[in-house]
Amino acid sequence: KAGVTQTPRYLIKTRGQQVTLSCSPISGHRSVSWYQQTPGQGLQFLFEYFSETQRNKGNFPGRFSGRQFSNSRSEMNVSTLELGDSALYLCASSLEGNEQYFGPGTRLTVT
Amino acid sequence: GIQVEQSPPDLILQEGANSTLRCNFSDSVNNLQWFHQNPWGQLINLFYIPSGTKQNGRLSATTVATERYSLLYISSSQTTDSGVYFCAVVWGSQGNLIFGKGTKLSVKP
Repeated sequence: KAGVTQTPRYLIKTRGQQVTLSCSPISGHRSVSWYQQTPGQGLQFLFEYFSETQRNKGNFPGRFSGRQFSNSRSEMNVSTLELGDSALYLCASSLEGNEQYFGPGTRLTVT
Repeated sequence: GIQVEQSPPDLILQEGANSTLRCNFSDSVNNLQWFHQNPWGQLINLFYIPSGTKQNGRLSATTVATERYSLLYISSSQTTDSGVYFCAVVWGSQGNLIFGKGTKLSVKP
């Protein structure tokens, strides 16, 4: 089976812009979660989608949003980018919220 | 909320040495996973181990859920074992992973 894929792998944006990241889960997995990794805060949970519904949400501002499509692919969007949004964004998929498998990540730099 | 603490934060070994990484958590957990983060940032699954003991080659892990800790053993370490090792738990009604701060392992040739 193919693993979790994320696009793009690298991205450079300017403050105030918005960005959309994409994640394709392992075939058959219906749960997709997003995490942010920064040197200061470590790995933090953003949100989880299951069958196109947001099932769980972390403590991030409303500028961070996501969605899931009927084929389980997911996107996350960050509006009005800030310098502090520079991070590695990781997507994970699982069958029913048990063992999670991660993609290679998208490294976002905000200048 | 739950606290997940990993120790030691940094570990330097000579190739061929053995090591033990520890993960303590402050409450009962539903699931526990160990990951190795490679130099490009990807989290590689090592073990899914809410309780008990598992082995995979030179690596093994033990979780004692009643005492709220898990151990990751690396035997005969190799330079390719270098990187950051994370412990992550699933707690309460939430399904998301809560990560420790990681142990940075450096294996010298």
